This record gives sequence, C-alpha cells and structure tokens, in this order.
Amino acid sequence: AQSVTQLGSHVSVSEGALVLLRCNYSSSVPPYLFWYVQYPNQGLQLLLKYTTGATLVKGINGFEAEFKKSETSFHLTKPSAHMSDAAEYFCAVSELPSDMRFGAGTRLTVKP
Amino acid sequence: DAGVIQSPRHEVTEMGQEVTLRCKPISGHDYLFWYRQTMMRGLELLIYFNNNVPIDDSGMPEDRFSAKMPNASFSTLKIQPSEPRDSAVYFCASSLRAVYNEQFFGPGTRLTVL
Repeated sequence: AQSVTQLGSHVSVSEGALVLLRCNYSSSVPPYLFWYVQYPNQGLQLLLKYTTGATLVKGINGFEAEFKKSETSFHLTKPSAHMSDAAEYFCAVSELPSDMRFGAGTRLTVKP
Repeated sequence: DAGVIQSPRHEVTEMGQEVTLRCKPISGHDYLFWYRQTMMRGLELLIYFNNNVPIDDSGMPEDRFSAKMPNASFSTLKIQPSEPRDSAVYFCASSLRAVYNEQFFGPGTRLTVL
C-alpha cells in the first residue's frame, strides 16, 4: 500500500528565505501526488498536484514541487518565504480515487 | 460552486449527548470522505462513500460512530453517545473520480465534548 513520509514536523525560515518541505512516498504503481496547505482553523486547500507529464509542477502562491521517481520524492519549494506562508503543509499520495494517504504534516513558521 | 459545506462549524456538547455533523459535497462529485484531525493522531480517514454507498468504514473508531449518505448532496456523521476523547476537528471532503483523485475539503467542524 502507498505511504507518505514528511521529513521534519516543524520547519522555520526567515522571511525571504527559501522554503523546502520534504516528502517521500512509496507506491506500487505510478501515483498521483499532492501538496495541501492548512491555515489555522481552516480546511485543507490544494496547493499543487502531480498526475502525469511534466515532473516540475507549479502551484498557487508561488509554490512548486518536483516529482523524482528515482528518489521517490516530491519536495515542495518556494524561492522566497512570506509571512502569509505560515501554515501546516501536508503531502499526500493516491493510487485510487478512494485511497489518499496523507503525511503527518509539516508546520512552517516564517520569522520576520 | 460553493465548495464543500459543513455544519456546524463549532459544536460544544457534554459527554453522553448525541452529536450530528453535516456535510454537503460539491455537486457532481461521486466520492465523499469523512476525516478526523487531532494533534496526537493527525488526519485519519473514518469512512468514505462512493455514489452514496458506504464502501469502507474500517476507520470508524467505535460503534458509537455512524455515517449516512441518504442522497448525493448530503451526508451525516453521528456520534452517540459522545465522549471527551471524541473532541477533534472533523472534515468532510469530496472528489470526482475523473479528476485525478483530487479531494476538496470543507472547513471542518470543531467538536468539543466536555
């Protein structure tokens, strides 16, 4: 069965610095991969997704992620952090419409 | 589309009381999921429906939990009787099989059982 591991439950960066949130997955078939963001007291919102085709995926708010099959990774990056990026980020993998597995989440803190 | 709608947004109840959480999925979506989120256990899938039929309820913690989907536009999650350890945020999500399994989440219901 597929699974997701997010490395680092907490990440802290300075405003303007690079954001890198790590995600590794395991899957027996080519998976669909997702990053969701959760702001305080809100539901999960899709940031970006990889389905097929181009391995570098661009999402909302300047985030992007690269699917690396050889490394089974789908790390999330943003060149320059904003204060508004402070939130919890979840990586997820799905082989079937009914089966999405979420990582434990990474809480991003942005320091002024 | 208004997105996934959940009600109430907040619920405070006393131990032993019945609690009913409600969800309206996005129109046309054929999958509906109920999740529970806590600090200790993260995001847990409780149950999901496909075309209004419950498919997998293995995540439902106890018999005190039940879920129904009487039609394509409405689902409920009921806890009877409620206990303090049920305190959590409950999310409903829906998806359309043809759209790469992407799930759309509601805003959640924050349940506090005293």
